[in-house]
Parts: sequence; structure tokens; C-alpha cells
Amino acid sequence: GAGVSQSPRYKVAKRGQDVALRCDPISGHVSLFWYQQALGQGPEFLTYFQNEAQLDKSGLPSDRFFAERPEGSVSTLKIQRTQQEDSAVYLCASSLAGGGDEQFFGPGTRLTVL
Amino acid sequence: QKEVEQNSGPLSVPEGAIASLNCTYSDRVSQSFFWYRQYSGKSPELIMSIYSNGDKEDGRFTAQLNKASQYVSLLIRDSQPSDSATYLCAVDLMDTGRRALTFGSGTRLQVQP
Repeated sequence: GAGVSQSPRYKVAKRGQDVALRCDPISGHVSLFWYQQALGQGPEFLTYFQNEAQLDKSGLPSDRFFAERPEGSVSTLKIQRTQQEDSAVYLCASSLAGGGDEQFFGPGTRLTVL
Repeated sequence: QKEVEQNSGPLSVPEGAIASLNCTYSDRVSQSFFWYRQYSGKSPELIMSIYSNGDKEDGRFTAQLNKASQYVSLLIRDSQPSDSATYLCAVDLMDTGRRALTFGSGTRLQVQP
């Protein structure tokens, strides 16, 4: 079956612009995770959904970051008033059940803020 | 001390050799451990999961877990140039209260033809 998909794959934004990143998880996967990956580092947790409920948003770096998954499937990560330090690869992953299950990653969105 | 630690490498091995990648973690009660492979410019790809002490083999890959020592490793037998990538160790750390994986910074593996 289809894997996790993300769009856009690349996004260039001017500082101060708002951006929206989309994730379409594997069909039937209950849990959805967003991670941020800086160059040369491992992915860092941002937020976690179980169905439509956002159970953990402790990794979101500021209140400019907002995520939703209104129908328990597709998720959107929104970044308001982007800053240069927001430049990174944003990865989405999904798992069949909870956080201890195998997670499968999408291709990521590379965000560059000028 | 980082919660999940890996040697950044690069680890260089000749083609056909065994590559040994190591990872230590901070939480004594973690239950789920994963190895991901990440090629340059690509996203992480799950290659192994391990949940109990001992060895788990899958093809050329063997994951080894020792919870008492808080140590997990990945062995790659008969290494191929196509194995050259960054290998990420990921742990579901129970003591963070976070229901997500904590990743190490990765070990870069270079397999020399």
C-alpha cells in the first residue's frame, strides 16, 4: 500500500510569511507524529496525534507552531511568521497504534526561510 | 548527557566486513528500540525493531539489546557500498512521558569498495 506522503517537498518562504505543511499518513494508522530534523542531527519530536486528538505538543518550539488533524487522517503543521531558525526538514511519521510501535516516515518537507 | 547517544563516525569498513553500530540510552524502563537508515537527502527508513533482550536477526542485519546495560547495537554482515548511510538509533523513552521516539544523532557508515 501507499506510504506516508507529505507536501510540498520543498518550500521557500520569506521571513515573516506563514507556511502550511501537509501529511497524509498510511491508511488505518491511528498515530501521527511530526518531527523536525536539522542538518547532521536526528529527528526531534514536535507533536503527536492519536486519531484527531493532539496528545502531546511539548516539542513545538514556540506558539508560532500549530498542528491539527481534524478528521483523524490528514494532518497540517502550520508555522506563522516564519523565522530563519525554522529552516529544517519537517518529517511526518505514522504508526498503527501508539508511540511504542514502529513508525514509518514520509519523505519530508524541506523548509528554507530567507 | 544526551538521552540517546551514538558515535557520529564516520565508521569506515571494507566491503564484505561486519559493521558494528552502537547506541546507549538513558532510561532503564524503555521497551521499544529501533534502527533507521537514512541516506543523504532522504527520510529515515525503518530497518529493525527490537523489544526484548538478546539478538534479533533479519537478513544481513542483527540487532542486539541489553536493557541492564542500556545498550542497543546493530550489526551489518557482508557490508555493501549501498549500506553507506547514516544509521539512527531511536528509543521510546518511558521516563520522558513523551509518546514519541527519541533519536540519537546518527552514525555515518562508509563501506569502502
